[in-house]
Amino acid sequence: AQKITQTQPGMFVQEKEAVTLDCTYDTSDPSYGLFWYKQPSSGEMIFLIYQGSYDQQNATEGRYSLNFQKARKSANLVISASQLGDSAMYFCAMSFKAAGNKLTFGGGTRVLVKP
Amino acid sequence: EPEVTQTPSHQVTQMGQEVILRCVPISNHLYFYWYRQILGQKVEFLVSFYNNEISEKSEIFDDQFSVERPDGSNFTLKIRSTKLEDSAMYFCASSVGGTGNTIYFGEGSWLTVV
Repeated sequence: AQKITQTQPGMFVQEKEAVTLDCTYDTSDPSYGLFWYKQPSSGEMIFLIYQGSYDQQNATEGRYSLNFQKARKSANLVISASQLGDSAMYFCAMSFKAAGNKLTFGGGTRVLVKP
Repeated sequence: EPEVTQTPSHQVTQMGQEVILRCVPISNHLYFYWYRQILGQKVEFLVSFYNNEISEKSEIFDDQFSVERPDGSNFTLKIRSTKLEDSAMYFCASSVGGTGNTIYFGEGSWLTVV
């Protein structure tokens, strides 16, 4: 069975510093997609970044980058130059071809950016 | 930028009442989903919908739940007889294709059952 694990329930980061959010997964399906979503206190789910299992390069989107280590089955999110508006819950999620593209979410990591 | 829209944003309902949550997916998307998030917990998959039929559903999606795409633009989730434990944020989502395509979420509908 597929499983997504985020081991950091919460973390503080100083404004303007980088922060790495951990995500590990377990699957035997060779075809999968990795997603990160941001959920601010207002509740909406905002797509941040995507990495496909066959992508050769790590995905980047502005200040977000995904450190994809396929052999280790990890997909860590790096947020560079943290801003106060980055304070939110962050969810790692995966879709699997065998599971019909539905997303399986990790438990989330709450990030609080300190001024 | 196209977005998934959901109504209502908040709803309070009496236990046992029927609730319909509405969603307008992004217009060229073909795959539609409902997820729910009980307060403080992880996001859980409810159902996926493609080609006018349910393609997959979770164990949460029992006979009290149903989905419909009545008019080619709206995608609705109906809960026939709400229970206290149905209180949650319900997210609609859509994607243009299957695996490998980004799934975009709406802003959610908060449902409180009293």
